[in-house]
Amino acid sequence: QTVVTQEPSFSVSPGGTVTLTCGLSSGSVSTSYYPTWYQQTPGQAPRTLIYSTNTRSSGVPDRFSGSILGNKAALTITGAQADDESYYYCVLYMGSGFQVFGGGTKLTVL
Amino acid sequence: EVQLVQSGAEVKKPGESLKISCKGSGYNFTFYWIAWVRQMPGKGLEWMGIIYPGDSDTRYSPSFQGQVTISADKSITTAYLQWSSLKASDTAMYYCARRHSDGYYFDYWGQGTLVTVSS
Repeated sequence: QTVVTQEPSFSVSPGGTVTLTCGLSSGSVSTSYYPTWYQQTPGQAPRTLIYSTNTRSSGVPDRFSGSILGNKAALTITGAQADDESYYYCVLYMGSGFQVFGGGTKLTVL
Repeated sequence: EVQLVQSGAEVKKPGESLKISCKGSGYNFTFYWIAWVRQMPGKGLEWMGIIYPGDSDTRYSPSFQGQVTISADKSITTAYLQWSSLKASDTAMYYCARRHSDGYYFDYWGQGTLVTVSS
């Protein structure tokens, strides 16, 4: 079964820029996988940040952006803020209505 | 206002059956896919399956095929996730989520239902 890979953890300084990635255990991520990024803080339901690779969901600050970098999907946070400290999950569309989440990245802002 | 309201927390014993629900309101329930997502304690999100209430077309992750049943009753705008025989490893938070009409992403989420399976 295809595994969606993410960095387990990452840290960024306040005001800094960080890029989280989302790859495949086999193959490259392209826009055809409709990469989506969710943010989740403990005890809360996830929140949609980016969908279809690079479209920001309503109300999401423009410091969040999505792209394809090399063979992976990427979420870039520019000018990180303290309340960006959270878990970030990508999910890829595998066809036939089926999607797979990555393992998530715990982002620390310090 | 679009809302997905899930049923309350459950405490069950291994081997028992369970059906949890997700009631949609504020939109045409028939025409939007509803998915179920599992989050085990301290772990990440897992895509379980998805249903189209209009015709009950259902897709399962291979990891969950045969382990759970997803259904929907469009007359009462409610989707369901059920188990016939719970295991301790089914202990988790379960979220329902609505897939946006023109994209492969979830635009609304339920508040989650915590299922605890313990003898």
